[in-house]
Amino acid sequence: AQRVTQPEKLLSVFKGAPVELKCNYSYSGSPELFWYVQYSRQRLQLLLRHISRESIKGFTADLNKGETSFHLKKPFAQEEDSAMYYCALHPGGATNKLIFGTGTLLAVQP
Amino acid sequence: KAGVTQTPRYLIKTRGQQVTLSCSPISGHRSVSWYQQTPGQGLQFLFEYFSETQRNKGNFPGRFSGRQFSNSRSEMNVSTLELGDSALYLCASSPKDRVVFGNEQFFGPGTRLTVL
Repeated sequence: AQRVTQPEKLLSVFKGAPVELKCNYSYSGSPELFWYVQYSRQRLQLLLRHISRESIKGFTADLNKGETSFHLKKPFAQEEDSAMYYCALHPGGATNKLIFGTGTLLAVQP
Repeated sequence: KAGVTQTPRYLIKTRGQQVTLSCSPISGHRSVSWYQQTPGQGLQFLFEYFSETQRNKGNFPGRFSGRQFSNSRSEMNVSTLELGDSALYLCASSPKDRVVFGNEQFFGPGTRLTVL
């Protein structure tokens, strides 16, 4: 079954501390994975996708096929990073459907 | 360009009633997807439309239905509402019919449905 698991509902860190938001997936094939972010009172928006291998707002994510993981990392958290983060999997084929995890709320304390 | 718009933004209904939610995609976007967002389940895929055709449907009961019009606007309908249908319903639009590099999905603000 195709599934995305985000084991942490809440991650609280202090400003300047490293951040790692965990994401594990279940998928038979070559997955395409994304991280979406939802800031308070804002729309859900794309943060990054693994295929582009880019860093957005200091965040990076590496696909580890052996561990079936796509963890989101940032070396130094900022207060403005506080938001809900969702990991998502595209199941392939001619569709825009995404399979989302349950999300992790990142709270960066001053 | 104006973003994805959803109407109404808030809705309160009682059990057994039906409801229709509307989504206007970004101009030029022909793909519309719907998701149900709840605190416990996150976002769950409802259905997807492209050029007025439903291409995918999520694992929801038949009470959930939708359609897309020739101008790409989409509606979803929920009949015989249940308490568990209370959620934020999001729609997303994109210009292409599949997830490819450069094709990004844009989400609307959602419709908050409360069933009493």
